Order: sequence, then C-alpha cells, then structure tokens
Amino acid sequence: QSALSQPPSASGSPGQSVTISCTGTNRDIGGYDYVSWYQQHPGKAPKLIIYDVIKRPSGVPDRFSGSRSGITASLTVSALQAEDEAIYYCSSYEGSNTVTFGGGTKVTV
Amino acid sequence: EVLLVESGGGSIQRGGSLRLSCAASGFTFDNHAMTWVRQAPGKGLEWVSLINAAGTTRFYADSVRGRFTISRDNSKNTLFLQMNSLRAEDTAIYYCAKDVGSPRWAYSFDFWGQGTLVTVSS
Repeated sequence: QSALSQPPSASGSPGQSVTISCTGTNRDIGGYDYVSWYQQHPGKAPKLIIYDVIKRPSGVPDRFSGSRSGITASLTVSALQAEDEAIYYCSSYEGSNTVTFGGGTKVTV
Repeated sequence: EVLLVESGGGSIQRGGSLRLSCAASGFTFDNHAMTWVRQAPGKGLEWVSLINAAGTTRFYADSVRGRFTISRDNSKNTLFLQMNSLRAEDTAIYYCAKDVGSPRWAYSFDFWGQGTLVTVSS
C-alpha cells in the first residue's frame, strides 16, 4: 500500500485560514470519493472532521472544509483558533479493499 | 453516547500472540463495520483491518495479512483482533473505530476508542 503525501507542517495566526494538501494517485484519492480527514491532539485518539471528500460529521464546525482536485485533496481550516493546533491526517480508500493514511501535518496556530 | 473501550494490550515477546478486544456501546453495533488502526510511538496512523457489520467480510493491510485476524461477536457488541507471530514493528497503540457508513462501510471512522498499547520486544 502507498502512503498519501502531506506537508509535515503548516501554520497560521488566530483568525486566519490554513490549507493542508494530501496528494495521492488515480488509484486512491483520484479514483474514489472515500477521502477523509482526522484531527489528533497529543495523547488523544483521532477525531473525524471530514469524510466522503467534503462531508462534515455532526458537531464539526463549518470552519473545517474539504475539497479535491484530481489526485490532491485539501483541508481548509478557516478562522483559526488555538484549539485547532493539532496533527491532521488524510486517508483514502485504495481500491483494493484497503485504506491508506497520509503522514500527517502538524498545524501550529 | 458512543463508547469504544479497547483492552488486551501489553508487552509480549517477538513471535508471541495477543488478542485485543473492543467493547462497544451507545450505537447499534451490528449495523456498522468496524476497523482497527494502529499508531507506532511518535509515528502516524496505519490502517490494520476492517470487518463488515455481519462479520462475513474482512480486509487486511499487507503488513498484517496472514498473521492477524479480525472478528466480532454481535451478541456481545465486541470487536476482536487476534495477533499472531508478532514482530517488533507491530509495537503501537491499537485503536478500534466505528465506520461512519451503514449498512455498507464507507472507509471513514467517526468514533474511536482510547487505544491499547502493544509492545513487542525481541
């Protein structure tokens, strides 16, 4: 299985926006709508914030949005808040009944 | 409230076996696929295995196929991971998670347990 490619870090000031990219291939991100994003704070379990490329689970603020262009998915966090500081992971179905994750992006506010 | 509680982790020698359990509550367990995801110390997430709601379909990562077996007991709302022939690289926190889709799985996981640590020593 191949891992998805994410930048190791990103940052923004409170109130600003930050966008994280996740690059795969036509066999994963570019081929299926099963793209998700997870937020993980230190010592905590991951939390789902985006699924099916653009959908937000109940309770996730609309400051979080997902998109995709070709083989690259993106997560945008608008109006950054201190509690948004975390590691963000993308994931995608790979078309062989497996799931792959990106390496994670540490967002600093 | 959805609650997932893993247990069964611990320290084990290389080549040994462990069985992890995940007790689920707060949702209709037999309506959802379930998955195991692991995280090596200081590293990223790695998907391990998924089982459908009925327990009749199982998928595995290449790194564990043939050594790990996922199963579930819907009468007891419990998910399992039988881990055999353990290697040092299996050392990780193992999380169980609920699939967001129903009845079919969606490869996205909306509720996670707190994780259980497995340490494989040589």
